Amino acid sequence: KAGVTQTPRYLIKTRGQQVTLSCSPISGHRSVSWYQQTPGQGLQFLFEYFSETQRNKGNFPGRFSGRQFSNSRSEMNVSTLELGDSALYLCASSLAQGLAGVGEQYFGPGTRLTVT
Amino acid sequence: SQQGEEDPQALSIQEGENATMNCSYKTSINNLQWYRQNSGRGLVHLILIRSNEREKHSGRLRVTLDTSKKSSSLLITASRAADTASYFCATVPMDSSYKLIFGSGTRLLVRP
Repeated sequence: KAGVTQTPRYLIKTRGQQVTLSCSPISGHRSVSWYQQTPGQGLQFLFEYFSETQRNKGNFPGRFSGRQFSNSRSEMNVSTLELGDSALYLCASSLAQGLAGVGEQYFGPGTRLTVT
Repeated sequence: SQQGEEDPQALSIQEGENATMNCSYKTSINNLQWYRQNSGRGLVHLILIRSNEREKHSGRLRVTLDTSKKSSSLLITASRAADTASYFCATVPMDSSYKLIFGSGTRLLVRP
């Protein structure tokens, strides 16, 4: 089974631009979550999608948004980029909604975003 | 902000030695998981321990959980150079079981 894939792997943008990142989950996984990783704040939860609906969102400004398609693929968008948005953005998929049961998430390799 | 803190922040050992990493967290959890990350790449799931379990083994990995102290430890026995990576504990909180809350991570260097 193919793992979680993310595109692009690297991206350089300038302040004020917007960016769209893509994530394809493992086949059969319906839950997709996004995390941001920075040296200062570590790994932080952005949002989670299940069956095309955003179920939960972390403590991030409205500039961060996302969506999920009927095939479970997900995109996240960051508008009006700021220098502080430079980070590794990780997508993770899991079999079911909620991590209390199955528990583990499968992570993609990430998209390294640099904002200049 | 992160829920957990990990200790030590960095660890350097010789190949063949054991490596122990500790994690503390703040709220009641459903389960606790350990992940490995190589050089800023994706995270790889290592092991999951549920809140009603105290110890779990997987290959060279041994995880303990003490819910009364809100702490966990990961032991890697007979370490190899390939174990060099960052290790993160992550909790699934009881009141928000849709997300992982990560600790700050331990950078492990295994010298050949």
